[in-house]
Amino acid sequence: DQQVKQNSPSLSVQEGRISILNCDYTNSMFDYFLWYKKYPAEGPTFLISISSIKDKNEDGRFTVFLNKSAKHLSLHIVPSQPGDSAVYFCAASAYFNKFYFGSGTKLNVKP
Amino acid sequence: SQTIHQWPATLVQPVGSPLSLECTVEGTSNPNLYWYRQAAGRGLQLLFYSVGIGQISSEVPQNLSASRPQDRQFILSSKKLLLSDSGFYLCAWSVGLAGVNEQFFGPGTRLTVL
Repeated sequence: DQQVKQNSPSLSVQEGRISILNCDYTNSMFDYFLWYKKYPAEGPTFLISISSIKDKNEDGRFTVFLNKSAKHLSLHIVPSQPGDSAVYFCAASAYFNKFYFGSGTKLNVKP
Repeated sequence: SQTIHQWPATLVQPVGSPLSLECTVEGTSNPNLYWYRQAAGRGLQLLFYSVGIGQISSEVPQNLSASRPQDRQFILSSKKLLLSDSGFYLCAWSVGLAGVNEQFFGPGTRLTVL
């Protein structure tokens, strides 16, 4: 049973527009959430995180929103750039040493 | 600074052959270590994680095993590979401090079982 779900396998956005990637989770014990970006044939790289005590965290063009009651988080990228094209994974942790990842969303930013 | 190494980068093995993938971390002590697999068209599946030498937790039943003979070394093994073992294997580490929860991934190993 997948505890972290990314229901959109792909997303296509025009350069300069907003990209919104969504993630749902089922385990109410998760207290830390992360987004990773992955290029083909490379390991994922950490992008941004949020603790369950917050509902928003911003870092430059990237903002993560957390809705605990809905068990939903989203990543906003504004403005989107062609270099943002990659697979994005959300991940959640209930304890600091164990992480669960979603299946990923492939973002394509068109010039 | 910390770095993580994985080798080999690519591997082609016949069905039934053994497997050994190695991961080492530099620049940190007592890291938490993880093995993930990304199969074609699928997300990251946690296979094993370790909080210390000789301490291995398995997440999914399979014909793979993991060992941690040294603090910063994590090995993924199989005695007999299956076709379904093909995928992209990623090693990762994190530090077990409260509030520092990011995982850092290695470059990965592309395994093709024929």
